[in-house]
Amino acid sequence: GAVVSQHPSRVICKSGTSVKIECRSLDFQATTMFWYRQFPKKSLMLMATSNEGSKATYEQGVEKDKFLINHASLTLSTLTVTSAHPEDSSFYICSASPRTSGSPDTQYFGPGTRLTVL
Amino acid sequence: GENVEQHPSTLSVQEGDSAVIKCTYSDSASNYFPWYKQELGKRPQLIIDIRSNVGEKKDQRIAVTLNKTAKHFSLHITETQPEDSAVYFCAASMTGTASKLTFGTGTRLQVTL
Repeated sequence: GAVVSQHPSRVICKSGTSVKIECRSLDFQATTMFWYRQFPKKSLMLMATSNEGSKATYEQGVEKDKFLINHASLTLSTLTVTSAHPEDSSFYICSASPRTSGSPDTQYFGPGTRLTVL
Repeated sequence: GENVEQHPSTLSVQEGDSAVIKCTYSDSASNYFPWYKQELGKRPQLIIDIRSNVGEKKDQRIAVTLNKTAKHFSLHITETQPEDSAVYFCAASMTGTASKLTFGTGTRLQVTL
């Protein structure tokens, strides 16, 4: 149980284009999903908290107009990198917490999406 | 906000030896402390977690200890095996519905034959 999928796993795009990344909880409902960015050999940096049915909460320094987050259902959150530039190239990982009261703290991670902007 | 420090950044042990990774946190309100293992290019995998109402938790070769007074917690891996080689991250948060995690900087563990 507690499987999180992410799509695509890898994407290469041209500078100036937008890229959408999907995060799905496959076997549980997730009221909240999280989006992280990870640079090579670095830790996970939280970008935003995605809440189903409401606006995402962004961490300080993360541009909300640059990284659009939509959490349309209890199993799906999307991150859209708008007008991507080479500096946006990174490993983007989502996580989800089960809605059940038994383990509200535990976060299960998706496999990540490697974005390369040319 | 919460700040989590993790040491060492790299750790090399021989197969069969024990490995210890230590983390400290700053926010005394934090009470949930998970540990994740991440292999190269893969997702972080939860390996063990502890809540502040216990001081120690063990799962086979892996154990975590927590000292809330000193605000530090540690991961202990005994009888290390080559497949334990990975990057390990500690994290801290306040328990509750979907509280955000603050991660440590990671420890690259290398288990040599």
